[in-house]
Amino acid sequence: AQSVTQPDIHITVSEGASLELRCNYSYGATPYLFWYVQSPGQGLQLLLKYFSGDTLVQGIKGFEAEFKRSQSSFNLRKPSVHWSDAAEYFCAVGSINDMRFGAGTRLTVKP
Amino acid sequence: KAGVTQTPRYLIKTRGQQVTLSCSPISGHRSVSWYQQTPGQGLQFLFEYFSETQRNKGNFPGRFSGRQFSNSRSEMNVSTLELGDSALYLCASSFVGLEETQYFGPGTRLLVL
Repeated sequence: AQSVTQPDIHITVSEGASLELRCNYSYGATPYLFWYVQSPGQGLQLLLKYFSGDTLVQGIKGFEAEFKRSQSSFNLRKPSVHWSDAAEYFCAVGSINDMRFGAGTRLTVKP
Repeated sequence: KAGVTQTPRYLIKTRGQQVTLSCSPISGHRSVSWYQQTPGQGLQFLFEYFSETQRNKGNFPGRFSGRQFSNSRSEMNVSTLELGDSALYLCASSFVGLEETQYFGPGTRLLVL
């Protein structure tokens, strides 16, 4: 069965510092992978997605993610975090009629 | 293009009542999925509809049901509400074809007293 693990429940970084959020998945075939961000009380906003091809994908707000099949990982990165990036981040794997989400990583940004 | 809209945004119900939530997908999107989000269980898939047919259903009791109309709008219904049904209910729509991607609405916050 497909599943997603986000090992870090909460991460704190200083504004301007780099960020990496980890995501590991379990999936039988070539996975469709996604990162979403959620601000408090809001819905999920799509940051980026991977279906095939180039394993380094660029998203909105300066985020990127790298698909590593050998490590079953799809980590999200940003070179310089802004205070407005504070939110909860969700990694997801699957298709539109069977999507599995990780438990989320809450990001706090220190001034 | 307008995003996914969900109504109502907030609801307060009492145990035993039933509730109906509505979702209007992005224009041209024919797939609608529903999710329940709670602090304890996270984001859980409820069901997905495409062309008025339920294609998949998550592991939820039969009190949770849904439907989709010919204009792709969807409703979900929860009967005999329990305290544990308090959650944020999220709807997502998708174009069906290559590189299918879900776009989420703002959610309906349901509180069961």
